[in-house]
Amino acid sequence: EDKVVQSPLSLVVHEGDTVTLNCSYEVTNFRSLLWYKQEKKAPTFLFMLTSSGIEKKSGRLSSILDKKELFSILNITATQTGDSAVYLCACNAGNNRKLIWGLGTSLAVNP
Amino acid sequence: DADVTQTPRNRITKTGKRIMLECSQTKGHDRMYWYRQDPGLGLRLIYYSFDVKDINKGEISDGYSVSRQAQAKFSLSLESAIPNQTALYFCATSDLGGSPAYTDTQYFGPGTRLTVL
Repeated sequence: EDKVVQSPLSLVVHEGDTVTLNCSYEVTNFRSLLWYKQEKKAPTFLFMLTSSGIEKKSGRLSSILDKKELFSILNITATQTGDSAVYLCACNAGNNRKLIWGLGTSLAVNP
Repeated sequence: DADVTQTPRNRITKTGKRIMLECSQTKGHDRMYWYRQDPGLGLRLIYYSFDVKDINKGEISDGYSVSRQAQAKFSLSLESAIPNQTALYFCATSDLGGSPAYTDTQYFGPGTRLTVL
């Protein structure tokens, strides 16, 4: 059965800290891995990764994929309170190309 | 204007009532999805549609039905609502894009918070 597992489930840090969120997967016909940020509303798209070892970067956020070890990490440097959210990981897999979702990591950044 | 809209945004109803949630998109995407989100259970797929004539059940379709009225519109119905259908419901859209990787990035509407008493 396809699955996406995120860790940790929750995390509390102080402003300025650097955090690393993990996403491991076991899916058939893997095509891509996506990261989303969800505040108290709809998930918003952050990154899509298809190739191993190529870092995607947007401001203080960056992500990389390891297709051999079947995981991805999302790094956030110099965290701010506005980074507080649930971060969701999903894999695009299979012939029908649905997304397989992880349960998310809840990040709280305290001032 | 938002690319993906959902109506209503909030709804409280009673057990046994029929409810329809509507989704419209201006992104021109062929694919549309309905999810529900519950604390601790993440996003779960209810139904998805790859075009107007193609509708498929997701992992939790029991108690729900859908209608794809046009490329831009996808509605979700609860024929006889029950309390365990209380949840946050999201509509999402996606397109194949031009890449052979078929990335299928999904874009979400703002959500409908449904409470069944």
